[in-house]
Amino acid sequence: QKEVEQDPGPLSVPEGAIVSLNCTYSNSAFQYFMWYRQYSRKGPELLMYTYSSGNKEDGRFTAQVDKSSKYISLFIRDSQPSDSATYLCAMSIRDDKIIFGKGTRLHILP
Amino acid sequence: NAGVMQNPRHLVRRRGQEARLRCSPMKGHSHVYWYRQLPEEGLKFMVYLQKENIIDESGMPKERFSAEFPKEGPSILRIQQVVRGDSAAYFCASSPKNEQFFGPGTRLTVL
Repeated sequence: QKEVEQDPGPLSVPEGAIVSLNCTYSNSAFQYFMWYRQYSRKGPELLMYTYSSGNKEDGRFTAQVDKSSKYISLFIRDSQPSDSATYLCAMSIRDDKIIFGKGTRLHILP
Repeated sequence: NAGVMQNPRHLVRRRGQEARLRCSPMKGHSHVYWYRQLPEEGLKFMVYLQKENIIDESGMPKERFSAEFPKEGPSILRIQQVVRGDSAAYFCASSPKNEQFFGPGTRLTVL
């Protein structure tokens, strides 16, 4: 079983829709959870950073962590074509090396 | 406020040559991480450094790869005697303590 599982997609949704991205993980020691956005041939950009369970909201983005189910989610409201990118879930045990999912490719259709 | 800087952005080497990748962290950041992204693969941790110290190198291949973060100057990831399998995007991230911020990456191609 891989440490972090993420559906690679691609996921295509119409502009304005709510996007739901998620990951599962196997290591209950993970404490820090992140979502990164990566455009083609660019570096990952940190979107959300959370510690332990709960929700965090930042503009159109909401991150959820459910440690009991080992499941994390990212929701994007009012999706825009500029949101088209690969979204990487990531997590770490301490504030050090990050374990990444393989990424979900998202296409927002105008 | 400049972000994490990496150079060169693209590097082409022939098999057996050496590759040197440089990373300048964001101002005020004392933690540097290197990750590798192979085609169709996720980002994989390689090494974590603070000034003049290697904190965690558990992701580094045992041979040919080394990293340093000297007191002055950028962090360097060095790959000796490159092979075709080393072709990948190498990303550096820096952190003040918690969140890691990534640079644009160096794309290494080994001919």
